[in-house]
Parts: sequence; C-alpha cells; structure tokens
Amino acid sequence: QKEVEQDPGPLSVPEGAIVSLNCTYSNSAFQYFMWYRQYSRKGPELLMYTYSSGNKEDGRFTAQVDKSSKYISLFIRDSQPSDSATYLCAMRGQGGSEKLVFGKGTKLTVNP
Amino acid sequence: DTEVTQTPKHLVMGMTNKKSLKCEQHMGHRAMYWYKQKAKKPPELMFVYSYEKLSINESVPSRFSPECPNSSLLNLHLHALQPEDSALYLCASSPGTATDTQYFGPGTRLTVL
Repeated sequence: QKEVEQDPGPLSVPEGAIVSLNCTYSNSAFQYFMWYRQYSRKGPELLMYTYSSGNKEDGRFTAQVDKSSKYISLFIRDSQPSDSATYLCAMRGQGGSEKLVFGKGTKLTVNP
Repeated sequence: DTEVTQTPKHLVMGMTNKKSLKCEQHMGHRAMYWYKQKAKKPPELMFVYSYEKLSINESVPSRFSPECPNSSLLNLHLHALQPEDSALYLCASSPGTATDTQYFGPGTRLTVL
C-alpha cells in the first residue's frame, strides 16, 4: 500500500460545479496536510495548509482533514475554467527531517 | 518578496555538456530543496539544504551536484546527463526543515539530447 493514495482522474466538470478532490493515507504520523495546484508546465503553488484534523476555508476553497479515517479533501465551490490544473495533496510528519510525501495528483478540467 | 525564482526557464543540453540551474529566494527561509518532476508524476525529492548544509541526498547520481553558496541561493550543477534526466527541475524553500510549508519555484524545463 502506498503511503498516499490519490485518484489521478482525469476529472471533468462544468463551470460552476462543486469539485471534491480526495487523498487517503496510511501513515498515522502525518500531521501537516497541504494542497498544491499545478498548472501545466509550471511549479506547484501552495493552495491550502492544515495542521492535524479540522476544516479550513479560503475563498472558494475548503480543506478538510479527518485523521481518524486518514482522509483529506479539497472542495472547490463555483469552479471556474481557471481552476483547470493538476491538484496534488502532500503531507508530512512532525519531525524536523520529515520529507513531504505527495499524492500522484488529480487532473481537473472545468469546462465553460 | 514571497517567491522562489529559478533560471533558466528552459535548458537544452547535450550529454557531454556542463550546465547549472539556479534558484533564489529572499524570504529568509533556511531550508531549500531540489525536486525532479517527470510528466504526470508528483515531484521527487533530490536534495535538501538546511542552514546552507546538505542534510538530505536521496541517492541521486553524482552527475547532479548541488551547491548552496549562501542562504538565498541554491545551484544544481549538471554534468554528463542522460536523456532520461529530462524533466522539470523544481526548487522549493521553507522557513526551516522543522516547518511544514514548502514554496515552489516555477521550475526549469530540462531537455537532454
């Protein structure tokens, strides 16, 4: 079992739809959870960061972490064509030398 | 200044060439990273510098040689690369390795002929 599982998609939705992106993980030591957005041929851009369990909202984006289920989600409300990108979940443990572990990324297309 | 910059944006090199990739940040971050990303794959960690010292080398071949001249700069020296080394090379930085958030640069698209 991989440490982090993420459905690669592709996921195609109409403009205005609510998008749900998910990752599951196996390492209970993970404490920090991130979502990155990566446009084609560009570097990943940090979207959301959450520590431990809970929800965090930023504009149209909501990140949820359920540590009991080892499951994290990113919701995008009122999706726009400009949201079309690959979304990578990433997580790490508490220690100073802990590496960031990435999911494979989900490719999202929002159709006008 | 809240960004990581990388130069060049694109690089094409032959297998016998020597070239360098450069990365710069002025956020006062003390940890800097090199990642390699192949198409449709997540970034793979190559090296980590913490307080200008190499702290992690993910068993990267010696044809890749990192250098951290100061706390703002990170270089990746390339020599005798193979075509399979063609990829997007990403630099990232974070306040410290004990801190969770890494910020990525736009990457250098490397093609080895």
